[in-house]
Amino acid sequence: SQQGEEDPQALSIQEGENATMNCSYKTSINNLQWYRQNSGRGLVHLILIRSNEREKHSGRLRVTLDTSKKSSSLLITASRAADTASYFCAGPNLGGKLIFGQGTELSVKP
Amino acid sequence: GAVVSQHPSRVICKSGTSVKIECRSLDFQATTMFWYRQFPKQSLMLMATSNEGSKATYEQGVEKDKFLINHASLTLSTLTVTSAHPEDSSFYICSASPPGPGGGRHNEQFFGPGTRLTVL
Repeated sequence: SQQGEEDPQALSIQEGENATMNCSYKTSINNLQWYRQNSGRGLVHLILIRSNEREKHSGRLRVTLDTSKKSSSLLITASRAADTASYFCAGPNLGGKLIFGQGTELSVKP
Repeated sequence: GAVVSQHPSRVICKSGTSVKIECRSLDFQATTMFWYRQFPKQSLMLMATSNEGSKATYEQGVEKDKFLINHASLTLSTLTVTSAHPEDSSFYICSASPPGPGGGRHNEQFFGPGTRLTVL
């Protein structure tokens, strides 16, 4: 079963624009994580936001968490062609296992 | 940061053969590693949790006799796909968490680069 559901499933933007991806989850979590995956490669951890945090920044990344709505968003500002990848949210279930959302496929055109 | 490696990165085999995939934590000890499977354009699905020194725990619907997991040391877990068939063709990814507060279970996981298995 999926912990997170993401939208949009695919997003195509021009270089320099901002990209926003959303994630909704089902059960209570103590943190939510965002990962990036380039085509055919492993995952790279981007950022972790804890349940008592509402917003977190890392470079051009901004993550928000709304536990009342069980949702999170990932914003990539001033996107670059190199940001083209799939982005996944993931949260630990009650057993501590990391369960992934369906992912958003981001395409940044130069 | 913590590094996880996988070997091989790509394997092609004939139907009916067995394939072993290795997952290593290079600069930390991992009592727990996780194995995921990913089909094209889809998300990662957790297959099993590999526990050092004990049996792996499998997710519902994953055949334990089909996907054998051995976690013989604190830095190595192996996944063996036995009697592989074309439907087993997929991208297999392992991950591990360095030890930390709460045993690292809720902290970020570090992923291997994945193994692309193609069964002919």
